[in-house]
Amino acid sequence: GAGVSQSPSNKVTEKGKDVELRCDPISGHTALYWYRQSLGQGLEFLIYFQGNSAPDKSGLPSDRFSAERTGGSVSTLTIQRTQQEDSAVYLCASSLTQGGWEGYTFGSGTRLTVV
Amino acid sequence: ILNVEQSPQSLHVQEGDSTNFTCSFPSSNFYALHWYRWETAKSPEALFVMTLNGDEKKKGRISATLNTKEGYSYLYIKGSQPEDSATYLCASSRSNDYKLSFGAGTTVTVRA
Repeated sequence: GAGVSQSPSNKVTEKGKDVELRCDPISGHTALYWYRQSLGQGLEFLIYFQGNSAPDKSGLPSDRFSAERTGGSVSTLTIQRTQQEDSAVYLCASSLTQGGWEGYTFGSGTRLTVV
Repeated sequence: ILNVEQSPQSLHVQEGDSTNFTCSFPSSNFYALHWYRWETAKSPEALFVMTLNGDEKKKGRISATLNTKEGYSYLYIKGSQPEDSATYLCASSRSNDYKLSFGAGTTVTVRA
C-alpha cells in the first residue's frame, strides 16, 4: 500500500483480556518497528523486525507482550491479560533499509484503552 | 536504549518569529540522528536523517545541524507559521544497533 496501515485505530478492552494489534507495512520495506506512547511519555521502543533475522525483542515490557511478522510483511502485536498500564498509543513503522536512511514511515497508530 | 534528551519540553512562538531547540544524544558508536514532526491526530513524519558530523539539512523554513562529537543537534524554524505547530521528535541510533531511541519531544505552538 501507499502507507503503513494499522488496525484497529481504537480499541477498548477489559482488564485481563487479550488483544491483537495489526500493522501492514509499506510493500518492500524490510524493517518493521513497534513503539508505544503512554500518556505524558515519549515513544518507547518495543520490538524490531529486519528481514529474516531474529527480531530484537529487547523493548518488550513483559512476557505478556509478543509479536510476529508473517512472510516478511504483516505484523501482529499481541498483549495477553491486559493491564491498565498497557493503555497507550501503539505505533508501527517501517523502513526500506535496515538503517532507516530514508527515515521511518509511521502508521496512524492504535489507541488502546484498558478499563 | 539510548538516552536522548530534548529541550525545551514546549515553547510558544509568535507567528513570524524564528526559533530553535535542542536534541542531545550519546556520541559513542553514533550511527544516525532523525528528526520527525508529529502533528495532532496524524502520524510522525520524517523531516531529516543525518549521519555526518557538521551536516546541515534544510527543508523549506526548517533546518537542522548535527554535531556527532559532542552529541547534539539543533532544529531551526525560520519565520514560524501556525502550521508549524507540532511536536518535534529527535531520535538516535548506534552503529551496532539500528533501532531508534526517541526523545520526549519539543512541542511548538505558534500563535497568530
